[in-house]
Amino acid sequence: DAGVIQSPRHEVTEMGQEVTLRCKLISGHNSLFWYRQTMMRGLELLIYFNNNVPIDDSGMPEDRFSAKMPNASFSTLKIQPSEPRDSAVYFCASSFGVAGANVLTFGAGSRLTVL
Amino acid sequence: AQSVTQLDSHVSVSEGTPVLLRCNYSSSYSPSLFWYVQHPNKGLQLLLKYTSAATLVKGINGFEAEFKKSETSFHLTKPSAHMSDAAEYFCVVSLSGSARQLTFGSGTQLTVLP
Repeated sequence: DAGVIQSPRHEVTEMGQEVTLRCKLISGHNSLFWYRQTMMRGLELLIYFNNNVPIDDSGMPEDRFSAKMPNASFSTLKIQPSEPRDSAVYFCASSFGVAGANVLTFGAGSRLTVL
Repeated sequence: AQSVTQLDSHVSVSEGTPVLLRCNYSSSYSPSLFWYVQHPNKGLQLLLKYTSAATLVKGINGFEAEFKKSETSFHLTKPSAHMSDAAEYFCVVSLSGSARQLTFGSGTQLTVLP
């Protein structure tokens, strides 16, 4: 298995532009988590899905952020319009189930820079 | 409520010497505890986890951690550091109920000196 695959690995864009980050889950996993990592706030959970259904989006910073899971193996995180304060590394992670003891498998991350 | 505190933001050791990364947690319930490692420009990778079985947990790459309920600690150790161990390490606590309640520590940057 190739693991959790994220694209793009790096994105540089200008303020106001739309950004779409993509994530492919590990085959057989049914839970998907989007995290954001910054120096100031560390790792923050943005949203997570179980069986393609968004379960908890309380971490999504504002309406400019949206996430979808159109099928069991793929998810997108969209920021529209982007702002400089959105600059961060965005990770997705997958697991089988949502129990707290489950291990998350992380992708390599998408580093976003908004100028 | 739950929380996790990594007591050192940076740790430097010489190659071949022991590693100790400290983590204290607070949880009202029996927690699940994890250590993840993040190498530069990579995602987080599981080192080991504790889920109320043996209190001494062995992980990958020679790391181990001991769950001490009386001290609410889950420190990560390795007898002999290798250059490839240089990375950031995260202690994570979870209530048994849901992965939405994972709480990540602020991370400890480990530097290994030649």
